[in-house]
Amino acid sequence: NAGVTQTPKFRILKIGQSMTLQCTQDMNHNYMYWYRQDPGMGLKLIYYSVGAGITDKGEVPNGYNVSRSTTEDFPLRLELAAPSQTSVYFCASSYSGTPLSVYEQYFGPGTRLTVT
Amino acid sequence: LAKTTQPISMDSYEGQEVNITCSHNNIATNDYITWYQQFPSQGPRFIIQGYKTKVTNEVASLFIPADRKSSTLSLPRVSLSDTAVYYCLVGPISNYQLIWGAGTKLIIKP
Repeated sequence: NAGVTQTPKFRILKIGQSMTLQCTQDMNHNYMYWYRQDPGMGLKLIYYSVGAGITDKGEVPNGYNVSRSTTEDFPLRLELAAPSQTSVYFCASSYSGTPLSVYEQYFGPGTRLTVT
Repeated sequence: LAKTTQPISMDSYEGQEVNITCSHNNIATNDYITWYQQFPSQGPRFIIQGYKTKVTNEVASLFIPADRKSSTLSLPRVSLSDTAVYYCLVGPISNYQLIWGAGTKLIIKP
């Protein structure tokens, strides 16, 4: 049971380039989330999904897109990378069996992205 | 969503009990309180969650007074490996948009 896995671990992008951050979970969780964390700050929600085919915007969605074609995978797409997107990106998932389970999120190891 | 206030940092020593308090004066009736731990270069890890009074698990205890305007995370007999950032989150059932503050950086000294 690998939990939540993310690839790549590190990436450097040039301004204007695009990339996809991959996230996979093997816990059969319906809920999945993408966060970004800037140095010394808390996490900010980018997008979330409550099941395959269903996604919604979080607090800071501009410049990002997501898709959820399967329960396991929740990729995050960055289009036209900008220096403001330099951050650590975390993917998380949670069980949907009880109303409180959304609070018990399982996080991946993160992707450290630098845009120069 | 309720705003939370935590100390920016705290120091303690190995073997001591550490209490981190979070203030949430405008907590709503249907809000729950959740604490996470984050080690450097890792994703956060769920520690404990509660609504009122006291909750205890194998890692920590959570004390919530009757007015619920604050909560205290208690870590018994800390070790160097408890050095981490601790986040207090407050929000209603089935709210997907958890609000994360800057957390409390806890440093444990030998």
